[in-house]
Amino acid sequence: DGGITQSPKYLFRKEGQNVTLSCEQNLNHDAMYWYRQDPGQGLRLIYYSQIVNDFQKGDIAEGYSVSREKKESFPLTVTSAQKNPTAFYLCASSPFLYGTSGVKDTQYFGPGTRLTVL
Amino acid sequence: AQKITQTQPGMFVQEKEAVTLDCTYDTSDPSYGLFWYKQPSSGEMIFLIYQGSYDQQNATEGRYSLNFQKARKSANLVISASQLGDSAMYFCAVTSYDKVIFGPGTSLSVIP
Repeated sequence: DGGITQSPKYLFRKEGQNVTLSCEQNLNHDAMYWYRQDPGQGLRLIYYSQIVNDFQKGDIAEGYSVSREKKESFPLTVTSAQKNPTAFYLCASSPFLYGTSGVKDTQYFGPGTRLTVL
Repeated sequence: AQKITQTQPGMFVQEKEAVTLDCTYDTSDPSYGLFWYKQPSSGEMIFLIYQGSYDQQNATEGRYSLNFQKARKSANLVISASQLGDSAMYFCAVTSYDKVIFGPGTSLSVIP
């Protein structure tokens, strides 16, 4: 079955530590995204990548970093510079970058990772 | 700047009845896409329906339909014959060149 996997489902981190969230897709999609969701809120875009070895900052990139060395993988690192990292993190992918191809912009989401800073 | 408003934080509907979830958006881009997603308590976002800004007909996908009023910048989701499994958060999103914005969501509860 094609889809997006995220691991781990729950993650606990001590203050001052970096932590990396995994995102893998086997849908052969070019574009991948990371979102943050706080309780009772919508999604906010952290980073996105249109193609391998290329990525761009979203609306709230400060304190986060990403890499895109393989088409299937787009890991997110939450660094100690992120002041309030406790949140639900969602990874998504789409055939093409949003805003470029109509319905082919549709993003498909993974199950999410819930990060808690202790 | 793009903005999405979902004015109904919470909604209740009787099982088997229809319900409309409101979404208004503000964008200056002439070409854009509108999406609705469902988020059950498990957290995963599930794509429901898409409407392109140049589409002449309202989109439909099974029990979901989109009431698209371009001049009013409105894209309301209609769910027919509600089921208990429809209880979830529903998010409206708009994409255009180089931007994507999600609304704050509406919580729908289906009552047996």
